[in-house]
Amino acid sequence: GNSVTQMEGPVTLSEEAFLTINCTYTATGYPSLFWYVQYPGEGLQLLLKATKADDKGSNKGFEATYRKETTSFHLEKGSVQVSDSAVYFCALTGGSQGNLIFGKGTKLSVKP
Amino acid sequence: GAVVSQHPSRVICKSGTSVKIECRSLDFQATTMFWYRQFPKKSLMLMATSNEGSKATYEQGVEKDKFLINHASLTLSTLTVTSAHPEDSSFYICSARAPLDSGSGANVLTFGAGSRLTVL
Repeated sequence: GNSVTQMEGPVTLSEEAFLTINCTYTATGYPSLFWYVQYPGEGLQLLLKATKADDKGSNKGFEATYRKETTSFHLEKGSVQVSDSAVYFCALTGGSQGNLIFGKGTKLSVKP
Repeated sequence: GAVVSQHPSRVICKSGTSVKIECRSLDFQATTMFWYRQFPKKSLMLMATSNEGSKATYEQGVEKDKFLINHASLTLSTLTVTSAHPEDSSFYICSARAPLDSGSGANVLTFGAGSRLTVL
């Protein structure tokens, strides 16, 4: 079945540093790919998505490109802020019921 | 955009009691909702798929008699944790499949804010 492998955290960065969180996947067919963010004590919010190869999802300065050749969907941001501190989940479609399959999450802490 | 409301956000109960968590889709109808459980420092584990008007589909290893799911209408699904025990303490999150995004064609899941259950 489909699966997601996400880099383990925690990741600690200084404000304005460059961020990369790696995500690779295995899938049959052509899944849609997502990044969700979970702020402390809250549920998940969709950050960005891509539905086909070479699509680039972007939102709030975050970007991720659907790379079919490397089966990757790495999350990047050029300059992180303290407010970006959260847990980031990579996910893809492919559950038997139409649900999403999630990576284990990467906790990001940004220090002033 | 699509919004999913989950209630209560926090609940503390005594061991042996039952707790009901509600998940509502606002401004859209959801024939399918998903219930996830999130363990500390771990990913979300799909517990069950809630289907309006029919029985829920449970994932392997999830006790259907302990985690009762009812999807009585197109906007409401409930999860009842029966005879709760401390090991049931967790963060429970529901999600609903929002109307198909006509721009991207993607089936986007919208998540509730979660319910933190603490069983004493």
